[in-house]
Amino acid sequence: QPVLTQSSSASASLGSSVKLTCTLSRGHSNYIIAWHQQQPGKAPRHLMKVEGSGSYNKGSGVPDRFSGSSSGAGRYLTISNLQSEDEADYYCETWDANTRVFGTGTKVTVL
Amino acid sequence: EVQLLESGGGLVQPGGSLRLSCAASGFTFSNYPMSWVRQAPGKGLEWVSSITDSGINTYYADSVKGRFTISRDNSKNTLFLQLSSLRAEDTAVYYCAKLLPTTGTDYWGPGTLVTVSS
Repeated sequence: QPVLTQSSSASASLGSSVKLTCTLSRGHSNYIIAWHQQQPGKAPRHLMKVEGSGSYNKGSGVPDRFSGSSSGAGRYLTISNLQSEDEADYYCETWDANTRVFGTGTKVTVL
Repeated sequence: EVQLLESGGGLVQPGGSLRLSCAASGFTFSNYPMSWVRQAPGKGLEWVSSITDSGINTYYADSVKGRFTISRDNSKNTLFLQLSSLRAEDTAVYYCAKLLPTTGTDYWGPGTLVTVSS
C-alpha cells in the first residue's frame, strides 16, 4: 500500500508564500492525492486534489491563494499571501483499491 | 449544501461497545462511497474504514479489523460504525467522510468523541 511522507512543520511570514510537500512511496508516484486543512479545534476541510500530471482541482470555496503542483513522486501545496487563518495542520491523503492513507501532517506557523 | 453529522460518541469502558451514526444530507447519499477517519488526542488523521455506495464492499484498517463494522442505510441517508472490544487506544474523535472516487475525501463531518476508559 502507498505511504505518504510530510515534513512536520513549516513557517513563513504573514503575506509571504509557503510550499508544503507530500511524497509518495516508491511504486506509487502516479497516485492522485488530496490536501486537507485542519485549523485548531476544527474538523478537517478538503482543499484540493493534485494529480501526477500537476493538474489540481480545488474544493468549493477554497481561496485562490491555494494552489497545487507535482513533480515525480512529490505533490505540493502552495499558499500565497499567507494569512493568519492559514495557521493550521495540513494533511495529504491517497488511496488504492482497499485502503486509504494519510500523511503525518505539516503544522504551518504564520510568523 | 453537503452536511454530515455524527452522533453516538461518549465514554465507554475497555472491552465495551458503541455505535456511531452519521446523518447525511445535501447530496444523493446512495451514489457515494463513505468512510470513517479518527484522530487520537494530539495526533494525526487515521483512516478507519470505508464502504462502497451500495454497501456491498467494506474495508478496514488492520488496527480495527475484526472489532469494528461499517454499514449504511441508503433509505435513511445514514452511515454507521459499530465499535466493539474497545481499547484505550481507540480513544479519538471519529469523523464521517464523503468520498469522491477520483478526488478522495471531499467533505468531513464535525466529528464525535469516543473515550475508552475505566
